[in-house]
Amino acid sequence: AQSVTQLGSHVSVSEGALVLLRCNYSSSVPPYLFWYVQYPNQGLQLLLKYTTGATLVKGINGFEAEFKKSETSFHLTKPSAHMSDAAEYFCAVSETNTGFQKLVFGTGTRLLVSP
Amino acid sequence: ETGVTQSPTHLIKTRGQQVTLRCSSQSGHNTVSWYQQALGQGPQFIFQYYREEENGRGNFPPRFSGLQFPNYSSELNVNALELDDSALYLCASSLDTSGRAREQFFGPGTRLTVL
Repeated sequence: AQSVTQLGSHVSVSEGALVLLRCNYSSSVPPYLFWYVQYPNQGLQLLLKYTTGATLVKGINGFEAEFKKSETSFHLTKPSAHMSDAAEYFCAVSETNTGFQKLVFGTGTRLLVSP
Repeated sequence: ETGVTQSPTHLIKTRGQQVTLRCSSQSGHNTVSWYQQALGQGPQFIFQYYREEENGRGNFPPRFSGLQFPNYSSELNVNALELDDSALYLCASSLDTSGRAREQFFGPGTRLTVL
């Protein structure tokens, strides 16, 4: 079975500072990895995904993530935090069992942005 | 293009009751997945429907059941509600059932409270 681990349930940064949210995965097959964001009282919105090819993936809202096989990591970064980035972020791995695909999520990291 | 919609937004039930949650998939999507997100946790996969049949299930008891209709909308039914069923229930739609790279588009969720 595949899984993801998100280190740090809460991350606090100042506006304009670097954002780094950590995700490590466990997978017996080449992983397909996703980052989703959840704003208060809303559903999940896809930020970016890694399938194959380029290991540096650019997403929406200035976020990017780098797939590092040697470290089994897929950390999410943004060079300069904005107040509107405050939300819950989930890393997920796509698992395909016989005939269907499901997402296996981490426990999430809440990003707090202070002025 | 209409996104994934869910109803109702909020719901309060008592232990032992039954509940039905509804989801309309994004236009053109034929696959619907349901996830349970307990407070402070990542979403957990409940089951997936494709062409009106359940084709995958997570670690949830049989009192969690569902339906998918010819227009690809879906229902999640939970019988004999327990306090631990209190959670945000998310519906996600996608095109095709297999393929680990497929993006799942999430609705805003239904917040169920069981008293």
